[in-house]
Amino acid sequence: DAGVIQSPRHEVTEMGQEVTLRCKPISGHDYLFWYRQTMMRGLELLIYFNNNVPIDDSGMPEDRFSAKMPNASFSTLKIQPSEPRDSAVYFCASSGTGHEKLFFGSGTQLSVL
Amino acid sequence: DQQVKQNSPSLSVQEGRISILNCDYTNSMFDYFLWYKKYPAEGPTFLISISSIKDKNEDGRFTVFLNKSAKHLSLHIVPSQPGDSAVYFCAASGNAGNMLTFGGGTRLMVKP
Repeated sequence: DAGVIQSPRHEVTEMGQEVTLRCKPISGHDYLFWYRQTMMRGLELLIYFNNNVPIDDSGMPEDRFSAKMPNASFSTLKIQPSEPRDSAVYFCASSGTGHEKLFFGSGTQLSVL
Repeated sequence: DQQVKQNSPSLSVQEGRISILNCDYTNSMFDYFLWYKKYPAEGPTFLISISSIKDKNEDGRFTVFLNKSAKHLSLHIVPSQPGDSAVYFCAASGNAGNMLTFGGGTRLMVKP
């Protein structure tokens, strides 16, 4: 298996623009997670899905953030409008066993100028 | 409030010596603990885990120790190798259905 695939690897955008991050989980995994890594907060969970249904989005920082999982093989995280403080590395992860052994993608490095 | 803390942001060790990475937690409901390793420009990868019914789990050069009374766990790497240089994240989860909570990470540098 190719593992969790995220795109793009790097995204540079200007404040106010819409940003869409994409993720393809490992086939057969029922859980999908979006994490954000920053120097200040480390790895923080934004939202997770089980069988394509959002279960907990309490980590989503603001209404500017939204996530969807239209099918078992694709998810998006959208930021609209983006702000400089959104600059971080965003990771997608999937798991077949729940919350424990997660398989992470390589991340998207987002820079909002 | 950080429920999982890694108080040492970085650690430098000589090749061949022991590396000890520490992690403290505050939530007594946590019953499963994991360590992940992260190289630059890559996502974290699972390294080793331990259930709260154990106090030690070993996998090759890696051993995780759990002290429930102190709410403390540690990862020992013996002997340390330059390829072990990475950021190590401690993580914990509670009852089934609860999500993983990660610590802030410790950057390990193993010098040749």
